[in-house]
Amino acid sequence: DARVTQTPRHKVTEMGQEVTMRCQPILGHNTVFWYRQTMMQGLELLAYFRNRAPLDDSGMPKDRFSAEMPDATLATLKIQPSEPRDSAVYFCASGAGTVSYEQYFGPGTRLTVT
Amino acid sequence: AQSVTQLDSQVPVFEEAPVELRCNYSSSVSVYLFWYVQYPNQGLQLLLKYLSGSTLVKGINGFEAEFNKSQTSFHLRKPSVHISDTAEYFCAVSDGDDYKLSFGAGTTVTVRA
Repeated sequence: DARVTQTPRHKVTEMGQEVTMRCQPILGHNTVFWYRQTMMQGLELLAYFRNRAPLDDSGMPKDRFSAEMPDATLATLKIQPSEPRDSAVYFCASGAGTVSYEQYFGPGTRLTVT
Repeated sequence: AQSVTQLDSQVPVFEEAPVELRCNYSSSVSVYLFWYVQYPNQGLQLLLKYLSGSTLVKGINGFEAEFNKSQTSFHLRKPSVHISDTAEYFCAVSDGDDYKLSFGAGTTVTVRA
């Protein structure tokens, strides 16, 4: 049963610290998406990649957030420095990049910045 | 870019009663439509999708949705809900220009005994 995996599942950190979240997309999927979910804003697209190349990161605060795909099996989302307003659940999703456009979501990383 | 409106933010319903969740999208051009479900403390899971063909789409867990192009709607229905259907439901749309999905704000369904 192929699944998107994310680590860590939970992260508590202090303001100003660096946070790195990792995602392993489903093997063979060539599109990867990062979302942030909060009560106030709902589900927001932060960035997405196709064939490891960033296609759109307009939803991401550029001064503190960065997203990369070092290889086809790993996507990372980094926040440096973190702030309390970054507290949210961060989801990674992957897709086959085919005409169906469906995305498969990971379980999320719940981030709390104190 | 597409926009998606889910007309109800909260839907309380009794067990074994029917439920309908409403979704409208912004454009009448060719679109691909999806419903996702999010159970507490989990990621989103695909319930069903419409790509083309029959406007009535059946998904998992007894859910179905009907695509109505003239009304730009894609409402989700289940004839008889269970306690385990308590979750948040998201409607999403892609216009096929890129790989992004536009999500609605979500509808929280609470099933009571």
